[in-house]
Amino acid sequence: DGGITQSPKYLFRKEGQNVTLSCEQNLNHDAMYWYRQDPGQGLRLIYYSQIVNDFQKGDIAEGYSVSREKKESFPLTVTSAQKNPTAFYLCASSIATRGQGQPQHFGDGTRLSIL
Amino acid sequence: QKEVEQDPGPLSVPEGAIVSLNCTYSNSAFQYFMWYRQYSRKGPELLMYTYSSGNKEDGRFTAQVDKSSKYISLFIRDSQPSDSATYLCAMISNNAGNMLTFGGGTRLMVKP
Repeated sequence: DGGITQSPKYLFRKEGQNVTLSCEQNLNHDAMYWYRQDPGQGLRLIYYSQIVNDFQKGDIAEGYSVSREKKESFPLTVTSAQKNPTAFYLCASSIATRGQGQPQHFGDGTRLSIL
Repeated sequence: QKEVEQDPGPLSVPEGAIVSLNCTYSNSAFQYFMWYRQYSRKGPELLMYTYSSGNKEDGRFTAQVDKSSKYISLFIRDSQPSDSATYLCAMISNNAGNMLTFGGGTRLMVKP
């Protein structure tokens, strides 16, 4: 089945540690996105990528990094510089077009907590 | 003021009720409107996608867009306990590619 796979489902981070969240899609979508979801705050955009080897900062990129070496994959690293990383992280993808706005499709998220 | 406002709820209704969920927005450039359903500990699932003003129906769900009032609605007929979830509205403007602007979500509880 086509879809977006995020792993792991739960992740724990120690102080000073970097952790990487995986996102893989087999929808043949060009664009991929990372969001952070906190209770009562909706979804906030961290990074997005419209094409391989290119990505842009979203609204809350500080303390995070990404790479886009393959069309199917868009991993997110939460660095030690992110002082409040506890949240639910969602990856999404969409067709990238210049014209009609396309909806995004989401994975089932990774819940990151601090040890 | 947020670009997209959505009452956080929770909204509690009895099974079989008609549910009305709403969002208001301030950016007149929004042209594409979506509703997502999100179950606890899951990712959002696309329910409805509409362009510009008008209505769209899919089974028990009807999406309505009123651009003159900057107001969108999602109606759920014959609500079921399985409809209990958080509903997120999202919008794309005509000059922002595929960048979504989300409402904060409304939590719906349908009681048997």
